[in-house]
Amino acid sequence: NAGVTQTPKFQVLKTGQSMTLQCAQDMNHNSMYWYRQDPGMGLRLIYYSASEGTTDKGEVPNGYNVSRLNKREFSLRLESAAPSQTSVYFCASRDRDRERGDYGYTFGSGTRLTVV
Amino acid sequence: SQQGEEDPQALSIQEGENATMNCSYKTSINNLQWYRQNSGRGLVHLILIRSNEREKHSGRLRVTLDTSKKSSSLLITASRAADTASYFCATDASSGGSNYKLTFGKGTLLTVNP
Repeated sequence: NAGVTQTPKFQVLKTGQSMTLQCAQDMNHNSMYWYRQDPGMGLRLIYYSASEGTTDKGEVPNGYNVSRLNKREFSLRLESAAPSQTSVYFCASRDRDRERGDYGYTFGSGTRLTVV
Repeated sequence: SQQGEEDPQALSIQEGENATMNCSYKTSINNLQWYRQNSGRGLVHLILIRSNEREKHSGRLRVTLDTSKKSSSLLITASRAADTASYFCATDASSGGSNYKLTFGKGTLLTVNP
């Protein structure tokens, strides 16, 4: 099925460990995004990539790095995980959506990360 | 800081009543979108309204947009218990050139009592 695929769905890390969250979209979208959502909050933008080969910081980039590997894939890396990075992470892509009538976003189902 | 701010933060109504949620934002936008999120689940896109539109309908949903006041409202008519969820407004806007971002508000928690 077309859409945004995130892996893994769940992860528990110890403080100081590193990991990479993977995201892939098969809709040929140019722009991709990483968000985090903390309890009772809206989504906050970590990093985004307007097009292949470019990345930019969002609202909360500290402690993260990203790689736009190709047009399909956009990964998020935590080099040294901290308990404050416990959150649900969502990946998204953006392009013109005829059904919605303008540029819209397609979200993955999320990665629930716990750092202990 | 987040672009959109929803009001109220929480809303509790009886089944069959209408629910109205408001959203304010700060900068010029390309479009505004509303999403629903059930507890512990992912985001479901509800409706998108372009900056040159003033009102849009989809089933029991009605969205208005006032760009002069930088505000939007989402009306859910004849609410059902299954409408219980958090509702977020999100604005699609450029930070320069083709760099578009979707910025979310903190959401409104809607509870529909049977």
